[in-house]
Amino acid sequence: GENVGLHLPTLSVQEGDNSIINCAYSNSASDYFIWYKQESGKGPQFIIDIRSNMDKRQGQRVTVLLNKTVKHLSLQIAATQPGDSAVYFCAENEYGNKLVFGAGTILRVKS
Amino acid sequence: DAGVTQSPTHLIKTRGQQVTLRCSPKSGHDTVSWYQQALGQGPQFIFQYYEEEERQRGNFPDRFSGHQFPNYSSELNVNALLLGDSALYLCASSLGGTSGNTIYFGEGSWLTVV
Repeated sequence: GENVGLHLPTLSVQEGDNSIINCAYSNSASDYFIWYKQESGKGPQFIIDIRSNMDKRQGQRVTVLLNKTVKHLSLQIAATQPGDSAVYFCAENEYGNKLVFGAGTILRVKS
Repeated sequence: DAGVTQSPTHLIKTRGQQVTLRCSPKSGHDTVSWYQQALGQGPQFIFQYYEEEERQRGNFPDRFSGHQFPNYSSELNVNALLLGDSALYLCASSLGGTSGNTIYFGEGSWLTVV
């Protein structure tokens, strides 16, 4: 669960395309994972979560995939819109709702 | 249904001063956690309060302290401020403090130390 410095990876997509944001987590004992969206100057906004006994969960326009074998999470956003532009963080729940955040990915949607 | 509310939204302090930040959890939530988010990084866990006691703590010095009140609201105190304490301080609330309950964040308090 180390955070990196100022140079977050960036994903640029065309409006209407699908986006896939990837995340590696560190603790194989983590049992609950959350994706957050953070817009500039705001707090993290809950998008979708998944428990470790699942490998896929779908929401409205979003899908989270969990691969416990390689400790990998992905967030898929269908038909990406300009309002989806933000920084996206995955977080693993290590114990008792203590979250460890990944490095974050900047999503830029081109109109 | 009120979400997580934090105050103040922005503040500027001088090195060596002390600051108190406040948080009201989402209605029905009883667990409050505090996070520090430096520019360009993900939030880092400071500590968590449940039933008015500190239940978990991250790698932060004792200058960072907190409190939870009977109505579940919480304060974060930072003493002897350093320039490096400049960050967005986030409050997160959840129910019961057990894994798997959805965690919601407030909009944060921006602290600048000069």
